[in-house]
Amino acid sequence: AQSVAQPEDQVNVAEGNPLTVKCTYSVSGNPYLFWYVQYPNRGLQFLLKYITGDNLVKGSYGFEAEFNKSQTSFHLKKPSALVSDSALYFCAVRDRGGSQGNLIFGKGTKLSVKP
Amino acid sequence: GAGVSQTPSNKVTEKGKYVELRCDPISGHTALYWYRQSLGQGPEFLIYFQGTGAADDSGLPNDRFFAVRPEGSVSTLKIQRTERGDSAVYLCASSDIGGDYNEQFFGPGTRLTVL
Repeated sequence: AQSVAQPEDQVNVAEGNPLTVKCTYSVSGNPYLFWYVQYPNRGLQFLLKYITGDNLVKGSYGFEAEFNKSQTSFHLKKPSALVSDSALYFCAVRDRGGSQGNLIFGKGTKLSVKP
Repeated sequence: GAGVSQTPSNKVTEKGKYVELRCDPISGHTALYWYRQSLGQGPEFLIYFQGTGAADDSGLPNDRFFAVRPEGSVSTLKIQRTERGDSAVYLCASSDIGGDYNEQFFGPGTRLTVL
């Protein structure tokens, strides 16, 4: 069965410091991986995706993620955190076994950036 | 342009009642998805439409849940004989092609509370 794990419920970072939000996955075949962000009372917003090619993927708001096949990881990173980055972050993998439609999400990691 | 919209934003109902939740996808998007997000969890897949037909309804928890998309645009999620365990945020998403690599655009969700 395909799955996504986000091992940290919460990540605390000081503004200006680098941040990492961890994600590991378990899929059959090549993974299609996504990161979404959820702000309070707002819908999920797409940040970035890995389909193929370069292992370092750049996305919205200065975020990037590194695909590591040997470690089955897709950690989200940002060189310098902003207070406005505080939100709930979800890693997701496309379900290759079904209709090729739905995403399988991790449980989410709350990012808190303090001034 | 306009994003995915969902109505109502909040719905409070009593146990045993029938509810309908509406989703207006981004214009031209052929793929539409319904997810359910419980507190502290990531979204869980319910059903996926490609055009007017349900391509995958494997995520619907039981036969009290049903969804339609009669004209290939607006979709309605219908829940009969609601139970307290149905309380969650119901998310709708759309994408222009229901393939593996196209990101999904999410609506703000409908918060359903069953008393």
